[in-house]
Order: sequence, then C-alpha cells, then structure tokens
Amino acid sequence: QVHLVQSGAEVKKPGASVKVSCEVPAYTFTSYGFSWVRQAPGQGLEWMGWISAYNGNTKYAQKVQDRVTMTTDTSTSTAYMELRNLRSDDTAVYYCARSTPGSAFYNYAMDVWGQGTAVTVSS
Amino acid sequence: DIQMTQSPSTLSASVGDRVTITCRASQSISSWMAWYQQKPGKAPKLLIYKASSLESGVPSRFSGSGSGTEFTLTISSLQPDDFATYYCQQYNIWYTFGQGTKLEIK
Repeated sequence: QVHLVQSGAEVKKPGASVKVSCEVPAYTFTSYGFSWVRQAPGQGLEWMGWISAYNGNTKYAQKVQDRVTMTTDTSTSTAYMELRNLRSDDTAVYYCARSTPGSAFYNYAMDVWGQGTAVTVSS
Repeated sequence: DIQMTQSPSTLSASVGDRVTITCRASQSISSWMAWYQQKPGKAPKLLIYKASSLESGVPSRFSGSGSGTEFTLTISSLQPDDFATYYCQQYNIWYTFGQGTKLEIK
C-alpha cells in the first residue's frame, strides 16, 4: 500500500508564504506526477495544479497560477507546493495526490492521497 | 475549463436503500470520470475510475455508469460506513471536481 506523507499544520499571516511537502515512496516517485488539491473549511475540493516527478513539468490552475510554485526533489522523493502572498481565503486543508504519470497530461485518476496539511491564514 | 454539476447536494437515506448521485459535465469527457468518497477529517478515497471501473478493495455495492456528459454513482444497498460526502471528478482535460453530495442518515 502506497502512502504519501505530508508535512504538519501551518499558521501564517496574510502576505506570507507557505511551503507544504509530500513525501513519496522512492521506488515509485519518478514514475508519477503529483497534484495538489485544497479544501476550504466546509467546502468542496479544488484542484490547484500538477507536477511531473519525471521531469518537473507543471500545470497550474488559473486561479492560483500567479502565486503557486510546485517543485520536486528526487534525492528525497518529495514533492513541494509553495503558495505566496497568502490571503484569508487560502485557509484550507491542502492535499497531495498521485496523478498523471509521465511528462504531460494523461488520463489518470488520483488513486493515492496524502493525509492533508491544514494551513491557517490569520492576522 | 470543463465544469462539473453534481446533484443532489444533500441526500437523506436509510441503511439498505439504493441511492444514485448524478454528475453532468459541461462538455463531453468520454469516460474520464472518477468518483471519490470523503469522510470528515480524512482525505478523499478513489472509488470508481473511467466511469465504471471499481478501484481495488472497494465493495461491489458501489457502481458507476455513463459516458459523454452524464454520469451516475449508485450504491446498491447502503451500509452504515457509506454515510459520507461523494465527489465526481473529470480527468479528460486536467482535473475538475463536482461540488459534492453529502449522504446523510434519514
């Protein structure tokens, strides 16, 4: 059973940045891509973007594309999501999920998820 | 962007009932539809992929159908563990989720 392990909860002030990590079993890492999905309190799921662990290609959702950067570190088999210029409406639980493998989009559902990282933005 | 419209937003049912949740895509997504179950405080869990394929380990009382723009998730006989929120997701062009359906105990 594959598990994705995310970093712990964060509390940030408006205007700050947050970087969430997602550790992946090394033997699977470069075979897949990883999406980031967030869920505001009491709300639904919102896809934020995807990164290929194979070559670092990214695709960001339009809503966050100016403030988000997704990266990977193959030496530690870890994916990262950094969100800048935080606002109160960025308060949410952020999930990483295994998704499209390879270097470009391929029809692949999100079959393995991390446990979620709560990010609270408050002054 | 492809929009997903899921209905109903809330569904009240009893153990043993057969329930159906519907999702409509704003354009054809072929069979690239997935369904997820989410319980409070937990990550979503993949139930169905490619519209009708059951993910490994998921009970056979869950089934999915549809193609093009209209899709359904059916639970044939509700069990106590099934009361949760369900989301549809298109993955024809990147990813979009439906708004969710909260399945409550009647």
